[in-house]
Formats: sequence, structure tokens, C-alpha cells
Amino acid sequence: DTAVSQTPKYLVTQMGNDKSIKCEQNLGHDTMYWYKQDSKKFLKIMFSYNNKELIINETVPNRFSPKSPDKAHLNLHINSLELGDSAVYFCASSQPRSGANVLTFGAGSRLTVL
Amino acid sequence: QQQVKQSPQSLIVQKGGISIINCAYENTAFDYFPWYQQFPGKGPALLIAIRPDVSEKKEGRFTISFNKSAKQFSLHIMDSQPGDSATYFCAAYQGGSEKLVFGKGTKLTVNP
Repeated sequence: DTAVSQTPKYLVTQMGNDKSIKCEQNLGHDTMYWYKQDSKKFLKIMFSYNNKELIINETVPNRFSPKSPDKAHLNLHINSLELGDSAVYFCASSQPRSGANVLTFGAGSRLTVL
Repeated sequence: QQQVKQSPQSLIVQKGGISIINCAYENTAFDYFPWYQQFPGKGPALLIAIRPDVSEKKEGRFTISFNKSAKQFSLHIMDSQPGDSATYFCAAYQGGSEKLVFGKGTKLTVNP
């Protein structure tokens, strides 16, 4: 009965490879997000989708491509991985409303690029 | 451009003491200010939140104090416990933007 689940939990790969992270939420939320948390714990928003439509696209290299097949799923594909991509990637979902936006986060996917 | 500034970066408190984490913001359009708690190996989870029309909100040992004129808000943890040891993030949200902006986090350690 996990609310936001992401797979895999750990990814170890070589530079130049391509990898994907999958996320699913069963909360019925309309909005989903990808956040990147670096080694200093800083949480930076990358993308957000509302009901399958891209609404936030921060300054992220175009090697990162999100895809939302439906409003319960948001995947992240990364091409040509670089050392600097090593981080923990968090998926989150929410149902924003006037005066509040409560995000529910997944447990994270730790990506290590060697 | 860091929209929410958080301090201190790390904090060590003795059991039973008071932990205080401070945040400041510039954008007066922010209308929702949550605090998230993150334990090692877990995702952040909502701890407590406040809207700018309220100066204080208390939930158990956790209190948010909000100063709208100074554009500052803080988290107070009373009677801090070792189980409170975690990283705490303040955040700010502007209605309609769908974007929750986080501070850089404070690692709290509560010694027994």
C-alpha cells in the first residue's frame, strides 16, 4: 500500500550509459515531480507534470527526459550518464490547491555513475 | 538564485533542549510554508506547515513561528529527542506555480 513507489532503489552504472527510473503513485494526485538531491542534501526540482502535461521544466540538461504515460506514472530516462549525475532522485506527487501544496515523496533512487 | 535561505546548516542539541531552525524568503507571493523532515535513506515527509495569515502554529513539540513583515519563519522543536535527529527542510509555495521551493536543509543531531 505504498503511496509513491519508485524503482530501482539503487542504480550503479558506467559513464555514457543510459538508465531509467520509474515512479508510480496510488494517491489519485494530479501532479507528479522529479527532484534531485545532491551529496549536500540540496533538493532541486527538475520536472513536474500535471495530468500527463509537462508544467515545470527547470534548467536540466536535455539528456534527462521525463515521460508520463498516465497521471499515476512518471518516469525519468537519462542518456549518456555523466559523473555529475550521481545523486538521489526523488519522485513526488501532490494535489495542489489554493494556499497549500503537500508533496508526498517516494523513498528515492540512488544513482551512482562510475 | 536561492529563494529560501535556511540556517544553520547543522545543529547539535542535547536531549531535552530546544532546536531552532530559521528560514528567510524574498518572494512576497509565497502563500504556504511547510517544513519537511527527512531521515537517512528515506524521502522527505511533511512535518508541519503554516500560512502567512497566522503568526504561529503548534503541533505537539513542533512549532512554526512566522514573521510576515520580516519575511522569516522558524521551526522550534521543544524537548528535543534523539529520534528527532534528521535533516529538516523549510519550503515555500506560491499558489498556481505548482513549484515547492526548498531551503538547503539543516542536519539536526540530538545527543542522548
